[in-house]
Amino acid sequence: DTGVSQNPRHKITKRGQNVTFRCDPISEHNRLYWYRQTLGQGPEFLTYFQNEAQLEKSRLLSDRFSAERPKGSFSTLEIQRTEQGDSAMYLCASSSRNWLVNTEAFFGQGTRLTVV
Amino acid sequence: GENVEQHPSTLSVQEGDSAVIKCTYSDSASNYFPWYKQELGKRPQLIIDIRSNVGEKKDQRIAVTLNKTAKHFSLHITETQPEDSAVYFCAARYSGGGADGLTFGKGTHLIIQP
Repeated sequence: DTGVSQNPRHKITKRGQNVTFRCDPISEHNRLYWYRQTLGQGPEFLTYFQNEAQLEKSRLLSDRFSAERPKGSFSTLEIQRTEQGDSAMYLCASSSRNWLVNTEAFFGQGTRLTVV
Repeated sequence: GENVEQHPSTLSVQEGDSAVIKCTYSDSASNYFPWYKQELGKRPQLIIDIRSNVGEKKDQRIAVTLNKTAKHFSLHITETQPEDSAVYFCAARYSGGGADGLTFGKGTHLIIQP
């Protein structure tokens, strides 16, 4: 599979529990992004990595959220002490940057989180 | 930060007619403007994009125009077909100073009437 892969596809958790999602980008892509999408809205940028370095974080990324990309390949997004407002689709995307421009961003299928 | 406004929120057109979706952006430093199509329950997929050094780009039935002075860009779909029914998102990105995330509009639900 040459696309962006996300696991799990669905996650139901109780309020207050911690959850972790995984994203495997397209193998030759050095940039990886996390977005959150709620029903009827466009994706909202959370954070991005270039290789293993986290270069930008949105103010939407509260201190309960943490993202890692330890070896510059796959990434994980952890949400601690989940709240009902965290219920959303979490999308991962990847792109490649050459010396001049970024290529387009390809999205994964997303992880749908439901906090009950 | 960047703010992207998208209109209309819903657009219904007869099959075979044209559809136009419009977006405005706030940050004059934004330099990349993609359009994504998202079908129900599926991932957003890029359908066309334009960079700030170009005013218009076309790919078969789809075209995008960019007016940097007015800070707006538009998606044009001609000869619409039932499979064009989906939600379309515009986005803007500024690449520089460590920033790189896309800011999306709220989406347009395009309905193609048979």
